[in-house]
Amino acid sequence: DGGITQSPKYLFRKEGQNVTLSCEQNLNHDAMYWYRQDPGQGLRLIYYSQIVNDFQKGDIAEGYSVSREKKESFPLTVTSAQKNPTAFYLCASSRKYTSRNAYEQYFGPGTRLTVT
Amino acid sequence: DAKTTQPTSMDCAEGRAANLPCNHSTISGNEYVYWYRQIHSQGPQYIIHGLKNNETNEMASLIITEDRKSSTLILPHATLRDTAVYYCIVRVAPGNQFYFGTGTSLTVIP
Repeated sequence: DGGITQSPKYLFRKEGQNVTLSCEQNLNHDAMYWYRQDPGQGLRLIYYSQIVNDFQKGDIAEGYSVSREKKESFPLTVTSAQKNPTAFYLCASSRKYTSRNAYEQYFGPGTRLTVT
Repeated sequence: DAKTTQPTSMDCAEGRAANLPCNHSTISGNEYVYWYRQIHSQGPQYIIHGLKNNETNEMASLIITEDRKSSTLILPHATLRDTAVYYCIVRVAPGNQFYFGTGTSLTVIP
């Protein structure tokens, strides 16, 4: 069964702690993405990676870090510098972008992070 | 930057066609229009996408105006399971980035 897994579904942390969210895909996709969603809002892009060992900041990268050491994995670390970390975090993947092709993104089930 | 504009909410009777509009007046020539939907607390689900021509798949139809400034997603026979938030998205090169707005909350009424 191909897809994207995110774990855990719910995560609780104390303020001031870093926390790493997991995202794994077995779709053989080159590109991976992290989004954040706040209540009643759309998704906002945090980071994306088109290829292993390379990634770019999205619109709201401050307070977050990522790594892309393997094609299948794109973990997101929410650092203590992120002022409002409580949110729903979604990971997605797609085939690598080219100027001639349009590839949809496939989303994981999400991780709901609560920081108190 | 808001690249798309959608109504906040819509209702549709079960079994009828649901027509969801989207304005993307600043779209450029190489930007695709995508539609996704999200059921509460789940990841968004891909529905359909297009560039200039109308598209149809097993889930929906996408009608894009000739000037590409707006589009309409059509669910031909809405069911209760189609109740969700529907996002119209413009893809931006070079990173295949998607810009999500707040979407349209569609409620299918029995």
